[in-house]
Amino acid sequence: KAGVTQTPRYLIKTRGQQVTLSCSPISGHRSVSWYQQTPGQGLQFLFEYFSETQRNKGNFPGRFSGRQFSNSRSEMNVSTLELGDSALYLCASSPDWNTGELFFGEGSRLTVL
Amino acid sequence: SQQGEEDPQALSIQEGENATMNCSYKTSINNLQWYRQNSGRGLVHLILIRSNEREKHSGRLRVTLDTSKKSSSLLITASRAADTASYFCATVDSGAGSYQLTFGKGTKLSVIP
Repeated sequence: KAGVTQTPRYLIKTRGQQVTLSCSPISGHRSVSWYQQTPGQGLQFLFEYFSETQRNKGNFPGRFSGRQFSNSRSEMNVSTLELGDSALYLCASSPDWNTGELFFGEGSRLTVL
Repeated sequence: SQQGEEDPQALSIQEGENATMNCSYKTSINNLQWYRQNSGRGLVHLILIRSNEREKHSGRLRVTLDTSKKSSSLLITASRAADTASYFCATVDSGAGSYQLTFGKGTKLSVIP
């Protein structure tokens, strides 16, 4: 089985721009979660989707949004980028939340200049 | 926000020695998981222990959970250079609607050949 695929792996943006990150979960997995990792704040939860519905959202401003498609693929969008948005964005999937472990992708490393 | 702290923040040992990492958390949990992250890459699930379990083994890994002290420990026996990575504990809160992992800040383990 192919693992969780995130694209793009690396990207550089400037302040004020917006960015869209994509995540393809493992086939058959319906739950997709997103996490932000920075040296200062560590790993922080962004949102979780299941069957196209957002079930939980972390404490991030409204500039951070996401969605999930009917094939379970997910995207997250960050608008009006700030320097502090520079981070590794990690996507994780699981068959359903209650199964326990999450399977993570390699991440998308965003640099905001 | 971070659930708790890992201790120590960094650990350097010789190959063949055992490595012990500790994790503390703050809330009532459903389960606690340990993940490994090689530098700047995705997280890999190592082991999950449920709130009604006290100890669990998987290969060279041993995890303990003390819910009265809200703490867990991860023991890696007979360490190898390939074990060099950051290790994170993550908790799932008890109660409905908590579709997120809350991560600690991690322990950076260096195993010297």
